Amino acid sequence: EPEVTQTPSHQVTQMGQEVILRCVPISNHLYFYWYRQILGQKVEFLVSFYNNEISEKSEIFDDQFSVERPDGSNFTLKIRSTKLEDSAMYFCASSELNFTEAFFGQGTRLTVV
Amino acid sequence: LAKTTQPISMDSYEGQEVNITCSHNNIATNDYITWYQQFPSQGPRFIIQGYKTKVTNEVASLFIPADRKSSTLSLPRVSLSDTAVYYCLVGDRGTGGFKTIFGAGTRLFVKA
Repeated sequence: EPEVTQTPSHQVTQMGQEVILRCVPISNHLYFYWYRQILGQKVEFLVSFYNNEISEKSEIFDDQFSVERPDGSNFTLKIRSTKLEDSAMYFCASSELNFTEAFFGQGTRLTVV
Repeated sequence: LAKTTQPISMDSYEGQEVNITCSHNNIATNDYITWYQQFPSQGPRFIIQGYKTKVTNEVASLFIPADRKSSTLSLPRVSLSDTAVYYCLVGDRGTGGFKTIFGAGTRLFVKA
């Protein structure tokens, strides 16, 4: 079964540092997404990406965040100047078409200390 | 975006059928209804998607009445491994993006 892979599985960073979370979506998918889930809370949408540009973003996705598809396979989320409250599980997902079955990665647990 | 309302939690026993209902009173004409399952420390996993009437796959059935203001996920003969959080999502395939709002979901506890 095809899968979305995310690296690293766990990242610890100091407050104020920049982090890049990496994702390899399923190869024939066209829509890519980032979500986050703070421990014990619900899954929160951050951003969707289609045709090499952001198609939608939530109010959480402010100037601190950016996404990029640097090549044909990777999809990255960059968090500049991390804050303690950025500690969460970050999930990448992809889907073939808009709002069809989305496949989620196993997540990157980000801990900001 | 259509808001969804689900029960916070449900209990069941192994072998029983479980029905989880989701309300989405302001669903729009182009909206589809999708259900996801999430285990602790894992990403959500797609279960089923439908637009109207009934959809069935190898793991679940989705019942959608004619007014589409609610939907029911039916899990036949649950097992302990079905203990998870189940999310109901409503969204439009036609827009340029996928701004999906996950609600609090329904925590299903399956007991032996």
